[in-house]
Amino acid sequence: GAVVSQHPSWVICKSGTSVKIECRSLDFQATTMFWYRQFPKQSLMLMATSNEGSKATYEQGVEKDKFLINHASLTLSTLTVTSAHPEDSSFYICSALPGHYEQYFGPGTRLTVT
Amino acid sequence: AQSVSQHNHHVILSEAASLELGCNYSYGGTVNLFWYVQYPGQHLQLLLKYFSGDPLVKGIKGFEAEFIKSKFSFNLRKPSVQWSDTAEYFCAVSRGTGKLIFGQGTTLQVKP
Repeated sequence: GAVVSQHPSWVICKSGTSVKIECRSLDFQATTMFWYRQFPKQSLMLMATSNEGSKATYEQGVEKDKFLINHASLTLSTLTVTSAHPEDSSFYICSALPGHYEQYFGPGTRLTVT
Repeated sequence: AQSVSQHNHHVILSEAASLELGCNYSYGGTVNLFWYVQYPGQHLQLLLKYFSGDPLVKGIKGFEAEFIKSKFSFNLRKPSVQWSDTAEYFCAVSRGTGKLIFGQGTTLQVKP
């Protein structure tokens, strides 16, 4: 149980285009999901908290107009990287929180912007 | 600033050696503590967690961690590592909101 999927697992896009990444909780409902960014050989940095039915809460320094988050249902959150640039290339990881304390992580999406 | 600090960035051990990875945090008050592992090419998996109670926590695959409140520490230990333990290890702290703050990570390389 407690499986979180992400789609796509790897995406390459051209600079200036937008990319949407999906995060799904497959066997549980999650009112809260989180989006992280991980640079190579570095730790995970929390980008935003996604709450079902309400606006996402962004961490300091994260551009909310660039990283659009939509939590349309209790099992789906999406992250759209708008007008992507090479510096947005990274590994994006989501997690879902079915309860109050323990969250489950997706496998991540590698974004490469050329 | 509030932070989570892992002291060892890259650890190389031989099989059967004992492991201890340090983790310190700078938050006051009640915290929930986690150790996650990321095997090469795989997603993060929870090794163990501490919410309350016995400060010595046992996790999967023979790992354990000890919460020492006075030292703001949550060190990860394993008596005898295996080659399959080669991975990236992350300590993380939550203050009850679900938001996790991660340490920098420690790369563990176990030589057969």
